[in-house]
Amino acid sequence: GQNIDQPTEMTATEGAIVQINCTYQTSGFNGLFWYQQHAGEAPTFLSYNVLDGLEEKGRFSSFLSRSKGYSYLLLKELQMKDSASYLCAVIYGGSQGNLIFGKGTKLSVKP
Amino acid sequence: NAGVTQTPKFRILKIGQSMTLQCTQDMNHNYMYWYRQDPGMGLKLIYYSVGAGITDKGEVPNGYNVSRSTTEDFPLRLELAAPSQTSVYFCASSYGGVKNEQYFGPGTRLTVT
Repeated sequence: GQNIDQPTEMTATEGAIVQINCTYQTSGFNGLFWYQQHAGEAPTFLSYNVLDGLEEKGRFSSFLSRSKGYSYLLLKELQMKDSASYLCAVIYGGSQGNLIFGKGTKLSVKP
Repeated sequence: NAGVTQTPKFRILKIGQSMTLQCTQDMNHNYMYWYRQDPGMGLKLIYYSVGAGITDKGEVPNGYNVSRSTTEDFPLRLELAAPSQTSVYFCASSYGGVKNEQYFGPGTRLTVT
């Protein structure tokens, strides 16, 4: 079956750097997404990786290693508003229905 | 652009009742999706559509039905509601293609008692 693993919760300090890991086991791979979801709100898109390497977008970066089935989301210069859940999702087949989300990592940023 | 809109925002149903969750997008996206999200769990795909007139099952389709008569609208129908369908339902849309970034609606919080 298809599976994605992420840590359930993480805590970090304002101004620091935090890395949220995601490992996946899927039958095929067509891309990996990171979404941010604040409590009680809808997910919003952060990043997309399909090739190995690092994608940087402002304070957020996402890394992918397809051979290891591994990705991470790096958040720099943490702000209080970064307190949210971060969802990893993988498209693993040719169909749009072949999309699986992880359970999400709840990040708490402390002053 | 309003993006993706969903109605209602909240609903309480009795066991055995039926209802339709509405979803509309004004971005001319071909792809639309319905997810449910239970506490502490990831998003689970219920149904999706790659264009008007075309729908397909996702991971958890039982107890639900969909239709896609227009590009803009993708309603989700619950027949004979059960407590197991208590959840938050999100509708999403995307252009499709390689990147396929999804845009989510605000969600419908449904309780079945």
